Amino acid sequence: DVKVTQSSRYLVKRTGEKVFLECVQDMDHENMFWYRQDPGLGLRLIYFSYDVKMKEKGDIPEGYSVSREKKERFSLILESASTNQTSMYLCATSIGTEDTGELFFGEGSRLTVL
Amino acid sequence: AQSVTQLGSHVSVSEGALVLLRCNYSSSVPPYLFWYVQYPNQGLQLLLKYTTGATLVKGINGFEAEFKKSETSFHLTKPSAHMSDAAEYFCAVISYGNNRLAFGKGNQVVVIP
Repeated sequence: DVKVTQSSRYLVKRTGEKVFLECVQDMDHENMFWYRQDPGLGLRLIYFSYDVKMKEKGDIPEGYSVSREKKERFSLILESASTNQTSMYLCATSIGTEDTGELFFGEGSRLTVL
Repeated sequence: AQSVTQLGSHVSVSEGALVLLRCNYSSSVPPYLFWYVQYPNQGLQLLLKYTTGATLVKGINGFEAEFKKSETSFHLTKPSAHMSDAAEYFCAVISYGNNRLAFGKGNQVVVIP
């Protein structure tokens, strides 16, 4: 089974703090994604990466950055957290070339910014 | 561009009754279609998917969905709801050659005893 592990299930941070959300996968998937999930808005794509050191903006990249130094690890960074970034963050992976697009998700990181 | 419409953010169903969640999509090329389920405080897991072949797809926990190209639909059904089906359900579409899924806004299913 694919395992996608998000390092923190629950975080509480203060406005202006720098926040790191880590995601690690163990199945050698090429693609990795960061989504945020908010009630009534569904899942919105923040950033994704299809290769080491490669990244592409999703639909809502403002206020976020990402890092993928190794194939198995994809980090989401909030340079200066704000209260409107309080949300559930979901990491996902997909196989890559010629796959069907099926995503495998981690259990999520619920971030509260005070 | 691809997009997904799920109507009715909250759906209530009696235990033992039919579960029907509607999903309509738009895609300029033949799509791959997915239903995901999210239990409380967990990530999403795949319920079922349609890629090619048979248009009636069976998934886990007794769910199935039918791809209807003429109606651009991929509705999810289960003949008899169980209390454990209480969860949020997301429909998603990806078009061949694209590299990201488009998700619907989800249906929160409540099962009434």
